[in-house]
This record gives sequence, C-alpha cells and structure tokens, in this order.
Amino acid sequence: GEDVEQSLFLSVREGDSSVINCTYTDSSSTYLYWYKQEPGAGLQLLTYIFSNMDMKQDQRLTVLLNKKDKHLSLRIADTQTGDSAIYFCAESNHAGTALIFGKGTTLSVSS
Amino acid sequence: SQTIHQWPATLVQPVGSPLSLECTVEGTSNPNLYWYRQAAGRGLQLLFYSVGIGQISSEVPQNLSASRPQDRQFILSSKKLLLSDSGFYLCAWTRGSDTQYFGPGTRLTVL
Repeated sequence: GEDVEQSLFLSVREGDSSVINCTYTDSSSTYLYWYKQEPGAGLQLLTYIFSNMDMKQDQRLTVLLNKKDKHLSLRIADTQTGDSAIYFCAESNHAGTALIFGKGTTLSVSS
Repeated sequence: SQTIHQWPATLVQPVGSPLSLECTVEGTSNPNLYWYRQAAGRGLQLLFYSVGIGQISSEVPQNLSASRPQDRQFILSSKKLLLSDSGFYLCAWTRGSDTQYFGPGTRLTVL
C-alpha cells in the first residue's frame, strides 16, 4: 500500500543547514509536498515539487527528488529558531483523491 | 483569496457526549474537502473526504461521521464520544489539483 516514511526528530544549531529526509512508495504521484506545522497550528504548505523535476529551490529551501530511489529531501539553509516545527512530507494517493502524509519530523533549532 | 475556518478552536467534552465540528471555506466554489485527525505523537490520518454536497467518502471505520450540507461547509460529528477520539482535527480543501490547504485545527479533549 501507499506509505510515506520520515525520521521523527532532527536537532540542529542556529545557522547550520537542516536536511529532512522522506521516502515514499507511490511512483505515480504527480506532486510531492512539504508542509510545516508550528505548535498548536494547522499545516502550512511550505513547498512542493513536480514529479518530473529533480530539484526545486525557493529562497532558503531546496527540495531534492530522487525518483529512482523514491526519496525526497528538504534542505533549509541558515536554519533559524523560527524554523522549529514539525515538517510533513506528503504524496498523492493512487486514486488522486487525497494526500498520504508521513508522521512528521520534529525540527529543533538551538541558539 | 481563499480562506478556511474551523470552529471551535478547542473543545473539552465528556465521554459519551455528542460532537459537532465545523469547517467552512471562503473564496472558492465546489472544493474537495477533507477531515484529518492528528493524534498526539502521530501523523495525520485521513478520516473523510467529500467531492460535493452530500458526497462523503470514509477512509477508516470509526465512531465519527461527516456531512456536507452546503458547498463550502463540512461537518464532523459523533453521537457518543470515546476517549480515543481525542486529538487535533484538521480540515483541508483543494480544487483542481492535489495541493491541500489546511485550516487552523480544532483541539478535542475527551475526558
């Protein structure tokens, strides 16, 4: 079945780069997504990548997609304390009716 | 621009009591609507989705039900709450693509 896996925790120092990794199973997903959830809040769409792209850069964010290995990563350059949050990777389900989310990676940024 | 609202923001209910959570979307028409639950320390679980008025699909068997009485209104209900219904309930919408936009969420505590 469809599944999305992420590591649960990542701890970095302010100013360092953070890399959050994700693996997925459904190769038919048109888009793959990264969402950010701050404490007590809903999910905020951070960025997404079209499945025929290898890389997408958006300011401090870089998304890398390896379709062969079904591996997606999110790199945050110059990580700030405000980046502390839970980051969810998501892919479309096979029917295209909903998103399948990973369990989320909690990013902790220390100063 | 489109906005999504959820009401209430927090709720504390005794076991066995009924539940009604509301989600409304503004600024779009005929959206697909979704209810997710996020239990503590876990990822998002898709509960229901709807592609139109009166059309509800359930992803998992459970104590909850959903209804869509109007195009931009999605309601999550229960006749008798269980302790295991506690969690953070998120509503989301999409239209014409996979990209989902989330509401601020409702924190439900069942005691």
